[in-house]
Amino acid sequence: TQLLEQSPQFLSIQEGENLTVYCNSSSVFSSLQWYRQEPGEGPVLLVTVVTGGEVKKLKRLTFQFGDARKDSSLHITAAQPGDTGLYLCAGVPYSGGSNYKLTFGKGTLLTVNP
Amino acid sequence: DSGVTQTPKHLITATGQRVTLRCSPRSGDLSVYWYQQSLDQGLQFLIQYYNGEERAKGNILERFSAQQFPDLHSELNLSSLELGDSALYFCASSAPGQGKYEQFFGPGTRLTVL
Repeated sequence: TQLLEQSPQFLSIQEGENLTVYCNSSSVFSSLQWYRQEPGEGPVLLVTVVTGGEVKKLKRLTFQFGDARKDSSLHITAAQPGDTGLYLCAGVPYSGGSNYKLTFGKGTLLTVNP
Repeated sequence: DSGVTQTPKHLITATGQRVTLRCSPRSGDLSVYWYQQSLDQGLQFLIQYYNGEERAKGNILERFSAQQFPDLHSELNLSSLELGDSALYFCASSAPGQGKYEQFFGPGTRLTVL
């Protein structure tokens, strides 16, 4: 079983549409991160959310951390073709120890058509 | 540009062979992480080094090994290569002592085993 479940797996939309992708778990996380990866490139860190209920905005992207720190969402307003890519959520489960194994979801592959 | 460098960018080799992938972390980062990314498995954590010492192990095969040198660069050695080892291999680094577990990824090495 995957510790972080991302949905949807694939999303194809038209330019100008809004969308939300989800990252869910049954585990509590110290923090969650969102990365975007373009084909053949390394993931690029977009944002880190740390506090339950936290909302962060990055231009047209809005990230939210669930109150219980078990889930997160990414909302994109007025999507642009440049938003196309694989969106990955990642986090370290809160264990009270020094476990630094960052676990990644399988990602949401977003295609924004012009 | 994340500041993490990886060489080579592409590597094509035959089954049974051995290859070495190289990574230089961002200036000041003490931790280096290695990941394997394939289409069906997503991004899988392999191993972490912190200031020259192994810190955490993930799904790393016994045929694979890694080390971090005094200048903090790291090498991932893959031996007795199989067709299934074909994948993108990423290195990431992070700053010491920060609790957000943010990692910065290099551009990756695409390994093709024929």
